Parts: sequence; C-alpha cells; structure tokens
Amino acid sequence: DQQVKQNSPSLSVQEGRISILNCDYTNSMFDYFLWYKKYPAEGPTFLISISSIKDKNEDGRFTVFLNKSAKHLSLHIVPSQPGDSAVYFCAASAKLAQGGSEKLVFGKGMKLTVNP
Amino acid sequence: DTAVSQTPKYLVTQMGNDKSIKCEQNLGHDTMYWYKQDSKKFLKIMFSYNNKELIINETVPNRFSPKSPDKAHLNLHINSLELGDSAVYFCASSLLLSPLHFGNGTRLTVT
Repeated sequence: DQQVKQNSPSLSVQEGRISILNCDYTNSMFDYFLWYKKYPAEGPTFLISISSIKDKNEDGRFTVFLNKSAKHLSLHIVPSQPGDSAVYFCAASAKLAQGGSEKLVFGKGMKLTVNP
Repeated sequence: DTAVSQTPKYLVTQMGNDKSIKCEQNLGHDTMYWYKQDSKKFLKIMFSYNNKELIINETVPNRFSPKSPDKAHLNLHINSLELGDSAVYFCASSLLLSPLHFGNGTRLTVT
C-alpha cells in the first residue's frame, strides 16, 4: 500500500531549465511534506519542506507546491544545475497526529539528471 | 566531521548468522531511527527511539532488536539472518519534529 507515490522513475533536463518533480499521496492525515535528495552511496539529505497550512514554500532555487485537494505536491528546481543530478525522495508525515517522533513515509524516489 | 555515522558500510554474511550495525550521531539530537531501503527502493521506518526509549516499532520480525545505550547511539542487532534481510539500512537522527539527518547507509547482503 503506497501512501506516497512518485510515479515517474526518472527525469532528464538541460542545465538552466526548470525541473519539476511530482509526488502524490493518499493519506489525508498527512500534514507535513518533505523532499530529500540522495547521491549514490550517501544517505538522503533534507532539501525543503512544507506544512499543510501552506501551499508554497521557497528556498533559493527550490520551491515546493502543495495542492491539498488533489493530494499532490511538486518540487520545482530553477535553474537546474548538473550538481542537482541525484535521486529525489518525497516524504510525508502526520506530524500533529503523531505528536513526538517523526514517522516519515517515503516515495520510491525519482532520478533527476541535469545535462550540461 | 560526520554527523550521523554508521558502521560497517558493507556487510556480507551467510544465512543464519547474527550481525550488528552500529550508529552514532554527534548532533545532540534526541531521537534516532532505523530505516530500511529494500530492493524496490522504498525507504521504510523500522524503529524510532527518543531519549533511549522505544517510540516507534513497525511490523519488524523479532529477529531485529534495536539497542540504545545512550542518546547518541542506536545499534541494530539482527539474529538468524535470512536472504530477505538483504537491503540498505539507514540510521537517522533528529530533534523533535525537525527533519531527519541520515547516515550513509549499511549495505547488508545475506548469502
């Protein structure tokens, strides 16, 4: 039962263009969403997050959009750089329901390749 | 300085053996986790400890036993290893309700 879905396994874009990574979720209890970036042989590193009370959060070249009615979020990277090439994981949690510990539910990940 | 370090990085062992993976964090976090990334690439939580107390215990076989001697350490001991245990195991830590910091993973191969 995949509660967090990243339906596209890979994306290839040209340097300088926009990268759009999509994520869908099924659990309406999720109220906190994160994107993690992972290089080979390393652990995931936190990139950006958004709470369900917002519909947009921006941090430099990275912007996350949340559409609660559609249970959909997306990560926009603009302009894309070759160093952005990595696997990107979407994750979600029911923070308020959970209280303490973060129980993140991850998608399968999407491999982004930015070509010079 | 590595923030979340886990050892070993690679572990190859035979079915039926018992093995341990160690994890240490120097971030001063109060919560630590074990996640498993299986062959289908899903990252799934196994355990979570907050201040040495077990908080989250997902549906994991009893052969897996986490141990937290102090806030900075969370080790994972696996008894009677099976082929299906082959995966990458990630340790992580966080402050309460803050994003997780992951270690670089331990690739376990059971033959």
